[in-house]
Amino acid sequence: KNEVEQSPQNLTAQEGEFITINCSYSVGISALHWLQQHPGGGIVSLFMLSSGKKKHGRLIATINIQEKHSSLHITASHPRDSAVYICAVAKGGEGSQGNLIFGKGTKLSVKP
Amino acid sequence: KAGVTQTPRYLIKTRGQQVTLSCSPISGHRSVSWYQQTPGQGLQFLFEYFSETQRNKGNFPGRFSGRQFSNSRSEMNVSTLELGDSALYLCASSEHRAAYNEQFFGPGTRLTVL
Repeated sequence: KNEVEQSPQNLTAQEGEFITINCSYSVGISALHWLQQHPGGGIVSLFMLSSGKKKHGRLIATINIQEKHSSLHITASHPRDSAVYICAVAKGGEGSQGNLIFGKGTKLSVKP
Repeated sequence: KAGVTQTPRYLIKTRGQQVTLSCSPISGHRSVSWYQQTPGQGLQFLFEYFSETQRNKGNFPGRFSGRQFSNSRSEMNVSTLELGDSALYLCASSEHRAAYNEQFFGPGTRLTVL
């Protein structure tokens, strides 16, 4: 079982819809990152969070440390949001502290 | 500020050869991390350098190595290339330790091993 699981793997939405992408992890973490990767390969960091909730424009990220779960929400989705969204956790504890472990990504396609 | 740059952007090598990839971080950033991305395994962490010292290392064989210079530029080296090393290699920089800070990614180097 992967230490970081994302769902769904693929998501197709109509423009304007509210979108939720989920990330569950099984290890102790010190932080969680959400990344966006466009078809050309370029990766952009969206959020880094260790508790609570962050908002940036139409994007909202939440994390529940007790439940080991994070969600990325996109409000009023737009075709330019089409990309792969990747969750990554920074391991806590001894040894590999700070190593990033990545989910497999969620491929989002927003239709006009 | 200029973004993270990686050179070369594309590279073709044959099995058994070695390769060196370069990454120039954003000015003022002291952390450089390297990642490998393949269709099968997705993104995997290789190592992180901070202030010229390797701080973290992922689960890769010793054929993968790196270093960081005093100007924070970093190189990674892969020796005795294998077909499975074909991948997109990404570097990312951050002001401080990568785990706790926003990372800025370079465009990547696409390595093909024949």
